[in-house]
Amino acid sequence: DTAVSQTPKYLVTQMGNDKSIKCEQNLGHDTMYWYKQDSKKFLKIMFSYNNKELIINETVPNRFSPKSPDKAHLNLHINSLELGDSAVYFCASSYTRAAEAFFGQGTRLTVV
Amino acid sequence: QKEVEQDPGPLSVPEGAIVSLNCTYSNSAFQYFMWYRQYSRKGPELLMYTYSSGNKEDGRFTAQVDKSSKYISLFIRDSQPSDSATYLCAMSVSTGNQFYFGTGTSLTVIP
Repeated sequence: DTAVSQTPKYLVTQMGNDKSIKCEQNLGHDTMYWYKQDSKKFLKIMFSYNNKELIINETVPNRFSPKSPDKAHLNLHINSLELGDSAVYFCASSYTRAAEAFFGQGTRLTVV
Repeated sequence: QKEVEQDPGPLSVPEGAIVSLNCTYSNSAFQYFMWYRQYSRKGPELLMYTYSSGNKEDGRFTAQVDKSSKYISLFIRDSQPSDSATYLCAMSVSTGNQFYFGTGTSLTVIP
């Protein structure tokens, strides 16, 4: 039974399109995150939610909009996709802030 | 200067060797320290989670934290080919809202 699941696993799309990535966790955690991993494997925080409330919004273009309908879900919508958005996006969750985080399998986004 | 520094490697060792992976950091407020293993095209998998200074052992893995030197280590004993992966260190402050990651060290264990 997958703890943190993301869909889709792969996403290939054209520049200018709008796409969404969904994330669900069944661990009962309060905090969820979106991280972006670049080609050099560096993981950088994008957003952090605690009990459905946005608590971190790093310097991310406003084309990226997270939505948390409930504590178990954190979706990421991206408007007007650009070539530079190509990366692997990871959703993660933790019991509380600063507690150990569990990651999903990632969504490999390729913008062509 | 990055918050967390990690030698990217690559590191190549023979099967059975003891592997030492290290990270240094600049923020003395970090209190929670984690090591993740990431296989190719997979998500990071939590290996070790420690609070403040000291050692923690789990099977073949030992995590060490030296807060006075701002230095953390992961030791892998009797390394196996299945340990071949990228190892990421991560850390956070107690009131933090995010984890700060190192850039990862690529490890290959040769049979």
